[in-house]
Amino acid sequence: SAVISQKPSRDICQRGTSLTIQCQVDSQVTMMFWYRQQPGQSLTLIATANQGSEATYESGFVIDKFPISRPNLTFSTLTVSNMSPEDSSIYLCSVDPRTGGYGYTFGSGTRLTVV
Amino acid sequence: AQKVTQAQTEISVVEKEDVTLDCVYETRDTTYYLFWYKQPPSGELVFLIRRNSFDEQNEISGRYSWNFQKSTSSFNFTITASQVVDSAVYFCALSEASQGGSEKLVFGKGTKLTVNP
Repeated sequence: SAVISQKPSRDICQRGTSLTIQCQVDSQVTMMFWYRQQPGQSLTLIATANQGSEATYESGFVIDKFPISRPNLTFSTLTVSNMSPEDSSIYLCSVDPRTGGYGYTFGSGTRLTVV
Repeated sequence: AQKVTQAQTEISVVEKEDVTLDCVYETRDTTYYLFWYKQPPSGELVFLIRRNSFDEQNEISGRYSWNFQKSTSSFNFTITASQVVDSAVYFCALSEASQGGSEKLVFGKGTKLTVNP
């Protein structure tokens, strides 16, 4: 299955600033997904990133807050903009199982704390 | 909309005990996939199993086994002879179509398993 390198692994940020999270996959994949896991909660899909087109956002998530780039088939970034303490979460990227392996593979996650 | 329910929020067992984690799902789709993931304290998600809705055979992998019953919409996970290293949060998930047209995973709230020595 695909191997995903995600960074940073953790960060502490000031409110009002932005953080960009990167995911690098060791093979070409069609779809990449970005999830959020709020403290003590389950995972929720933020958006789906398809190479060469704009990301598609789930209900409750908007591009201005979570801009995503997908410049090629092995890389994607998620930016958390104008952060507030409510954005403190673990953010994870994941790849489409149809091209990335039998089961959805996840990055190791970015643990974000906004102060 | 799809829904995954993991009614057990936390379970605590003593090493070598068997433990079953429950998962009940709701879907209107006839074709779907069910998953189990393990999230140890370090935070990464470890894929354990993917099950096609047409395959109701139970599966065993070492100390892990899964019981899929469409009649009750359940996909339960049993760990036999639990070990301290099994301590983690376990998530059950169901695939459904995303806004982007591909699949996305709908996760249950997770069950935190603590195995005490």
